[in-house]
Amino acid sequence: NAGVTQTPKFQVLKTGQSMTLQCAQDMNHNSMYWYRQDPGMGLRLIYYSASEGTTDKGEVPNGYNVSRLNKREFSLRLESAAPSQTSVYFCASRGNQETQYFGPGTRLLVL
Amino acid sequence: KQEVTQIPAALSVPEGENLVLNCSFTDSAIYNLQWFRQDPGKGLTSLLLIQSSQREQTSGRLNASLDKSSGRSTLYIAASQPGDSATYLCAVKTDSWGKLQFGAGTQVVVTP
Repeated sequence: NAGVTQTPKFQVLKTGQSMTLQCAQDMNHNSMYWYRQDPGMGLRLIYYSASEGTTDKGEVPNGYNVSRLNKREFSLRLESAAPSQTSVYFCASRGNQETQYFGPGTRLLVL
Repeated sequence: KQEVTQIPAALSVPEGENLVLNCSFTDSAIYNLQWFRQDPGKGLTSLLLIQSSQREQTSGRLNASLDKSSGRSTLYIAASQPGDSATYLCAVKTDSWGKLQFGAGTQVVVTP
């Protein structure tokens, strides 16, 4: 039982490049979330998915797209990376209980 | 818009001392409040969750209180240990979809 896994752990991009951050959970949770964490600002919600086949915007969705591929997987895509997207990205999932379970994070540097 | 504040941003205490971490929020219409721990370079681990109808929640050396009317929560950690060194974040659930609004965290160092 791995919980929430994220790939890659670390990535360096040049401005304008694209990439997809992968997230998977093995807890049979319906809800999944993508957050970004910047120094001194806490975590901010980018997108969330309340169930398979549905996604919705969070607080800071601009520059991102998401796909809820199936119940297990929720990916985050940067179509044209910008230096302002340098951050640590966390995926989380939630079942019927209220607690959110977080992955280990992806550290992204955009040059 | 809900805003969550944690003061102080950093705290250093000697081992054995009790820790008191504060969290305040501007809108009392919350579903619940959670306290998380984050170790350097790691993800978040949930410590305690208090439902909006509860006043406090306890787990081992940890005790969290919630005063929804005044928009405050306090996390108490008894008899601190060096292993308690981490960043502690609070978050409020703002809607039925589970969206969380986070504070920026309090970085705690417990010195031996």
